[in-house]
Amino acid sequence: KQEVTQIPAALSVPEGENLVLNCSFTDSAIYNLQWFRQDPGKGLTSLLLIQSSQREQTSGRLNASLDKSSGRSTLYIAASQPGDSATYLCAVCNDYKLSFGAGTTVTVRA
Amino acid sequence: EAGVVQSPRYKIIEKKQPVAFWCNPISGHNTLYWYLQNLGQGPELLIRYENEEAVDDSQLPKDRFSAERLKGVDSTLKIQPAELGDSAVYLCASSAEGRTADTQYFGPGTRLTVL
Repeated sequence: KQEVTQIPAALSVPEGENLVLNCSFTDSAIYNLQWFRQDPGKGLTSLLLIQSSQREQTSGRLNASLDKSSGRSTLYIAASQPGDSATYLCAVCNDYKLSFGAGTTVTVRA
Repeated sequence: EAGVVQSPRYKIIEKKQPVAFWCNPISGHNTLYWYLQNLGQGPELLIRYENEEAVDDSQLPKDRFSAERLKGVDSTLKIQPAELGDSAVYLCASSAEGRTADTQYFGPGTRLTVL
């Protein structure tokens, strides 16, 4: 069974600081890895999807890396803003099934 | 383009009562998913449909949970009878196909409270 762990569980930073969110998974035979954002009381919004053959994916201030062999992914958010405050979830895909981590709750202080 | 629509957004019921959740996926999306999200945890898959066929229901507690996707579009998830431990957020998601490369699009969820 795929186990996905996200560290830290919570993070508070001042505005402008770069954010580094970590995700680890136990089964490296994945098809892809996705990072989602979840705002309180709302559903999940897909941020980035990295195919198993890729090493990283970028979108604006967001950059996600994938090291499949070591079972790790990192989400970098540059120059954080208060609007980045949310919970960020990592999900890995095996056999059409997504397995999620518990998320990292980020607070960006103005 | 409208996103995934779910209703109701909130539901409060007494234990042992039945409850149903409704989901309308993004138009043209053949694959539909129901997830359960407990507080402080990531979503867990309950069931996945390809059109009207349930292709993965291995995590669905079939003694009290049931689901249907008639005509391969809308879907309903039912719990009967509800237990205190069923209090959670029920999320619906859809993707164009069930291929591994496809992004899943999530609805806002239904927050269920069982008293």
